[in-house]
Amino acid sequence: AQSVAQPEDQVNVAEGNPLTVKCTYSVSGNPYLFWYVQYPNRGLQFLLKYITGDNLVKGSYGFEAEFNKSQTSFHLKKPSALVSDSALYFCALRGNQGGKLIFGQGTELSVKP
Amino acid sequence: DAGVTQSPTHLIKTRGQQVTLRCSPISGHKSVSWYQQVLGQGPQFIFQYYEKEERGRGNFPDRFSARQFPNYSSELNVNALLLGDSALYLCASSLEVESVTSNQPQHFGDGTRLSIL
Repeated sequence: AQSVAQPEDQVNVAEGNPLTVKCTYSVSGNPYLFWYVQYPNRGLQFLLKYITGDNLVKGSYGFEAEFNKSQTSFHLKKPSALVSDSALYFCALRGNQGGKLIFGQGTELSVKP
Repeated sequence: DAGVTQSPTHLIKTRGQQVTLRCSPISGHKSVSWYQQVLGQGPQFIFQYYEKEERGRGNFPDRFSARQFPNYSSELNVNALLLGDSALYLCASSLEVESVTSNQPQHFGDGTRLSIL
């Protein structure tokens, strides 16, 4: 069965420090993975996608994601966090129906000054 | 260019009523997907439509239905509303219908917040 897990409900980081938001997945074939961010009372905003063969993918607003096939992980990273990065982050996996994205439960990122 | 637009932004209904939510995709996008996001959870896939045809359906009851128009806009209808239908309903668009091996992202609107009393 296909699934996505975000093991941390909340991540707290000081401004300027590196951040990591974790995501693991389960899929029988090749994974097609995405990260989205959601600000309060807004929809989901696309950050980046996994590109087959690239273990480090760069995306919007300085975010990047590290793909690890052996650990079935696709962790979101940023070298230096900003207070404005505080939001809800979702990892998503392409489902067995083409138009279907399977989302994790989300991780609340809080960046303090 | 305008992004995905959804209307209304907020809606309050009572149990047993029916509701219609509307979505206009990004210009040039032909595929529309609908998701339900209950508070504290990730979005759950409801439908995908492409060229006015249903191309995918999630695990939702028949009370949920949708359609797509020739201009690629879409409506989501929910009949016989239940308290559990209270959620943020998100519409997403993409250029073409995605295959299971597609890394094409979906682009989301800001959603319609539906509250059932």
